[in-house]
Amino acid sequence: NAGVTQTPKFQVLKTGQSMTLQCAQDMNHEYMSWYRQDPGMGLRLIHYSVGAGITDQGEVPNGYNVSRSTTEDFPLRLLSAAPSQTSVYFCASRRGQAGNTIYFGEGSWLTVV
Amino acid sequence: DQQVKQNSPSLSVQEGRISILNCDYTNSMFDYFLWYKKYPAEGPTFLISISSIKDKNEDGRFTVFLNKSAKHLSLHIVPSQPGDSAVYFCAASLGNTGKLIFGQGTTLQVKP
Repeated sequence: NAGVTQTPKFQVLKTGQSMTLQCAQDMNHEYMSWYRQDPGMGLRLIHYSVGAGITDQGEVPNGYNVSRSTTEDFPLRLLSAAPSQTSVYFCASRRGQAGNTIYFGEGSWLTVV
Repeated sequence: DQQVKQNSPSLSVQEGRISILNCDYTNSMFDYFLWYKKYPAEGPTFLISISSIKDKNEDGRFTVFLNKSAKHLSLHIVPSQPGDSAVYFCAASLGNTGKLIFGQGTTLQVKP
């Protein structure tokens, strides 16, 4: 049971480069989301999706794009990387209702130089 | 505007004693509250949750208390064990959107 899989685990980018963080889940979960974790800031919601074809902004969406063409995949795109986007990124998924457990991937460490 | 706040960045307790982690929120529309535990270099893992219509939920050594009038929840761990040392995040779910908003986290250290 793979759960939530994120790739890559580590990435170094130059300022201005673009890249995509991949996230896939094999649990047929409707809800998927991306968070970033920064020291003293906790986990902040970037974007989320309640089902294929539906996405919405979270707390810190600027500089990121998402799409949800399938139930399984929820990629996060950095359009033009900035040093402020240096962070640890977590993808998460959940079945349906709000009270259900949300499952996290292992994280992607991104450094922008 | 931080809707979910954990005002204590760290907490240190002795093994066998009670650990109490606190969380405050501002939005009365939150309908579920959850606690997650995180070890270094790993993703957060679910610990315990509570619906906004309840005031207590217990699971083994872990109990979550919700005080809606004060917009405050707490996680009690009794007895605390060294393996409980981790970062604890509280989170709140927002109604129909299902958005999950996290606090800043509290680092718990349980000393043997």
